[in-house]
Amino acid sequence: QKEVEQNSGPLSVPEGAIASLNCTYSDRGSQSFFWYRQYSGKSPELIMFIYSNGDKEDGRFTAQLNKASQYVSLLIRDSQPSDSATYLCAALMNYGGSQGNLIFGKGTKLSVKP
Amino acid sequence: NAGVTQTPKFQVLKTGQSMTLQCAQDMNHNSMYWYRQDPGMGLRLIYYSASEGTTDKGEVPNGYNVSRLNKREFSLRLESAAPSQTSVYFCASSAGQGSHGYTFGSGTRLTVV
Repeated sequence: QKEVEQNSGPLSVPEGAIASLNCTYSDRGSQSFFWYRQYSGKSPELIMFIYSNGDKEDGRFTAQLNKASQYVSLLIRDSQPSDSATYLCAALMNYGGSQGNLIFGKGTKLSVKP
Repeated sequence: NAGVTQTPKFQVLKTGQSMTLQCAQDMNHNSMYWYRQDPGMGLRLIYYSASEGTTDKGEVPNGYNVSRLNKREFSLRLESAAPSQTSVYFCASSAGQGSHGYTFGSGTRLTVV
């Protein structure tokens, strides 16, 4: 069973701080990884994806991938109350009949306190 | 600029009733997916359609059927609803084989009593 694991939280950070969200995955064959943000009662929206080892930056968001450790993280700099949401990590299955399917973690709830 | 459209947004069913959840995308995506989301369980794949004319089971297909009507539309049918199917259902689509992620619809909140 291929799995993506996340700490459910809640993760609470003060406004302006860096929020660090982490994710591990079990399938070494997975090559691409995604971070989604989901506000309460809403659908998931894609923030970033990463497929190369190292860091990828987009505005206040940085995704980090370490394939050797099977570890993905999302850093949110200068956190704002509007960043309060559940963050879902997902891994893309890349083989056989499941190719193209995303396996999601259960999400980490982030709360940014003013 | 609609993206992925799901109907209905809310539905209450009695045990044993049937219904079809509709999903349509206007992004010319090849692949479409149905997920359910339950508290503490995350998003779980029910069925997917990698391309028009094909459908396959995901992680939790029991009690559901799907139809890929054409490239745009992918419906999910509950033939005999059970309380265990109370959930939020999301339809999603992707351009290729998910390499740039999925676009999700707004969801259907289904309650089976």
